[in-house]
Amino acid sequence: SAVISQKPSRDICQRGTSLTIQCQVDSQVTMMFWYRQQPGQSLTLIATANQGSEATYESGFVIDKFPISRPNLTFSTLTVSNMSPEDSSIYLCSVDYRQGAPTYGYTFGSGTRLTVV
Amino acid sequence: AQSVTQLDSHVSVSEGTPVLLRCNYSSSYSPSLFWYVQHPNKGLQLLLKYTSAATLVKGINGFEAEFKKSETSFHLTKPSAHMSDAAEYFCVVSDPIEYGGSQGNLIFGKGTKLSVKP
Repeated sequence: SAVISQKPSRDICQRGTSLTIQCQVDSQVTMMFWYRQQPGQSLTLIATANQGSEATYESGFVIDKFPISRPNLTFSTLTVSNMSPEDSSIYLCSVDYRQGAPTYGYTFGSGTRLTVV
Repeated sequence: AQSVTQLDSHVSVSEGTPVLLRCNYSSSYSPSLFWYVQHPNKGLQLLLKYTSAATLVKGINGFEAEFKKSETSFHLTKPSAHMSDAAEYFCVVSDPIEYGGSQGNLIFGKGTKLSVKP
């Protein structure tokens, strides 16, 4: 399976500022995914990032708030913009690794624990 | 629409006793199902996955799960709990891409926190 390095692992930020989270994969992958895990909640998909095209956002998430870059097949960033305390969550990136068709699975980064004060 | 329900938010067992974490799903088709584990301050790790092959799926660390279509269940079991099994476990469902599932849009259950007493 792929190995994902995600950073920062945690941060405490002032409201109104922005934080960019980086996700580096040790192999080339077509699609990368960004998830949010709010306190005490399960994971929710924010967006799907494909190399060379704009990210596809899920309902309730917009590009202005969560701009995503995907400059190559091993790297992506998620920015949390104009932060408010409600953005305090764990943010995780994930990639799809394939071990033969039709099976598939997902590897997750260790997450970025964001606290907005 | 897909959904997944983890029936217990918290399960506590003694070391050496069996573990049962319950999961029921809803899906229009035969879904793909996963169990992930999240240890404190660590990332999600895939335990096992079901993708329309054998209904009894064996995963890592002695865990296994059985897909029961008639009961729409995918319960996770382990014969003997170890202290290192204490973590949060997520049951996840995804419709196959060929049936309109959105790749990457995994639907997560709310999680079950497993405690293991010495």
